[in-house]
Amino acid sequence: QVQLQESGPGLVKPSGTLSLTCAVSGASIITSNWWIWVRQPPGKGLEWIGEIYHSGSTNYNPSLKSRVTMSVDKSKNQFSLKLTSVTVADTAVYYCARQEVGAFDIWGQGTMVTVFS
Amino acid sequence: DIQMTQSPSSLSASVGDRVTITCRASQSISSYLDWYQQKPGKAPKLLIYAASSLQSGVPSRFTGSGSGTDFTLTISSLQPEDFATYYCQQSYSTPYTFGQGTKLEIK
Repeated sequence: QVQLQESGPGLVKPSGTLSLTCAVSGASIITSNWWIWVRQPPGKGLEWIGEIYHSGSTNYNPSLKSRVTMSVDKSKNQFSLKLTSVTVADTAVYYCARQEVGAFDIWGQGTMVTVFS
Repeated sequence: DIQMTQSPSSLSASVGDRVTITCRASQSISSYLDWYQQKPGKAPKLLIYAASSLQSGVPSRFTGSGSGTDFTLTISSLQPEDFATYYCQQSYSTPYTFGQGTKLEIK
């Protein structure tokens, strides 16, 4: 079955860059799906960060657009998130997910990223 | 951005109860509405997509309805494993947005 697994540093310094990767297993990333990033600050709700298609097309949340870059590595069957100029407000669990028929049907387990000096 | 408002924010119920959670969109989103269940320390799990379609493997006690701006998630007979937080999400237009969540607790 399709599985997603996030990886990346758990600690990032303020003003630094958060970099995460989502490895896709059980299916090719080259499908008709969009690949998603969502985050959840501790004790709070869910926020859609953005999405990427295997062609490299992206859509970002306007609230983060100036700081977000997503990319796809088809050779490794994975996609990535970079968030620059981070602050403590970016501390959250970051999830990757697959979009299927509009909904996010498969999720990674999530990875906690803490911004602190 | 389309705002999604859920009610109630929290709910206490007993095993066997029928419960309904409401989600309202700030503009019409047709049937582009999905429901998720999240348990502590876990990723959200898709329950309902396109307002009323049951995701594969999800028990039939979960039903979704609505279109336009008003939607509901109903659990017909609560089971112990259903106590969790529920989120609605619009997939009509980016930025996709979620409701604030409804925490379902044991009475």
